Amino acid sequence: GAVVSQHPSWVICKSGTSVKIECRSLDFQATTMFWYRQFPKQSLMLMATSNEGSKATYEQGVEKDKFLINHASLTLSTLTVTSAHPEDSSFYICSARDLGLADQKTTYEQYFGPGTRLTVT
Amino acid sequence: AQTVTQSQPEMSVQEAETVTLSCTYDTSESDYYLFWYKQPPSRQMILVIRQEAYKQQNATENRFSVNFQKAAKSFSLKISDSQLGDAAMYFCAYRYSFGNEKLTFGTGTRLTIIP
Repeated sequence: GAVVSQHPSWVICKSGTSVKIECRSLDFQATTMFWYRQFPKQSLMLMATSNEGSKATYEQGVEKDKFLINHASLTLSTLTVTSAHPEDSSFYICSARDLGLADQKTTYEQYFGPGTRLTVT
Repeated sequence: AQTVTQSQPEMSVQEAETVTLSCTYDTSESDYYLFWYKQPPSRQMILVIRQEAYKQQNATENRFSVNFQKAAKSFSLKISDSQLGDAAMYFCAYRYSFGNEKLTFGTGTRLTIIP
């Protein structure tokens, strides 16, 4: 099956620094990747949709200057948390969709990465 | 905007018994997908089952089956012969079929399996 990896799996950084999280599709090409945030005991909240070769689309309330997303290739998207603060501590999950449409209907489900736990001290 | 509601924050079931998790959703669209995802303690999201709205037949995957009631906008998950490995958070999710592929998740149900 399709595999999505994330690196690092966990990271601790100091307040005010930036941290980059990578999301890779290992055995398929992904024109679209999604970034989610999950607080403890809560659901996944979509932060942004990342499209290869174009700017990401951010959900309402998500600061695009704070959460920089780059989707430079068909297998890699990165999320950079800039000037991190303790309230940014969370579990970040990416997902990727395989390329392809069937009669204009997107029939492919998203494949999820294992997540990255970010702790800002 | 689409919303997904899971009214059971926690459920428990005896091992080998059957349990049903509830999910309701709201949408004005007629063509969409519904999903159940499992998130075990490892936090890896695992697709359990998928239902296409235009299909009347309920989806099944081994011990997992759904009861899809389109008119009632209800999408429940039945787990038969519950096993210890079924213990996890279960999320119901909605996705429109065309264009924007955003998944909208419910708040989740934590399932505990009692040995």
